[in-house]
Amino acid sequence: DIQMTQSPSSLSASVGDRVTITCRASQSISSYLNWYQQKPGKAPKLLIYAASSLQSGVPSRFSGSGSGTDFTLTISSLQPEDFATYYCQQSYSTPRAFGQGTRLEIK
Amino acid sequence: EVQLVESGGGLVQPGGSLRLSCAASGFTFSSYSMNWVRQAPGKGLEWVSYISSSSSTIYYADSVKGRFTISRDNAKNSLYLQMNSLRDEDTAVYYCARERFPMARVDYWGQGTLVTVSS
Repeated sequence: DIQMTQSPSSLSASVGDRVTITCRASQSISSYLNWYQQKPGKAPKLLIYAASSLQSGVPSRFSGSGSGTDFTLTISSLQPEDFATYYCQQSYSTPRAFGQGTRLEIK
Repeated sequence: EVQLVESGGGLVQPGGSLRLSCAASGFTFSSYSMNWVRQAPGKGLEWVSYISSSSSTIYYADSVKGRFTISRDNAKNSLYLQMNSLRDEDTAVYYCARERFPMARVDYWGQGTLVTVSS
């Protein structure tokens, strides 16, 4: 099974900051990597799919990159509504493992 | 508008059974693969099961294999999860989620239904 490891597990940042979250797969998953945002008590929301494609309706300050085993999610200028938990997920094979999550908090 | 509405959650004793349902609307349900994903209280997301659009391909997480059964009724636009031999560690919010081709991304999620396994 493919394991997904995110870093950091938590992150404090300020409005306007540039933030990067990393996700590493235990073996190559090509570009089969998706990023989700989840706010407390809500369902996850798809932000980025296929490693770097922006889901419709998602602000352009979100971007993704990477292929193979190493991937990043970047938020170019944090907005108040971006404070949430972020998960990566591989869709290359089953089980479709998620990373453990990165909690983004206000500094 | 795409909508996924889960139901059937509740309190059940260890060893008991529960059947979750997910009613889909706003899209051609029979054209999409579907997933169940769960989240234990205060924990991360855990993929549970997958079913292809025609039900020809089904996968399970090892943690539920042999105890849970995923199914769908395309005529009723509905997805199901039959959960047997429930354990304390199955306590979670269960989400149904639509998977979109290509790249198998989950683009829509339901609001979730809480399953609590406790004596």
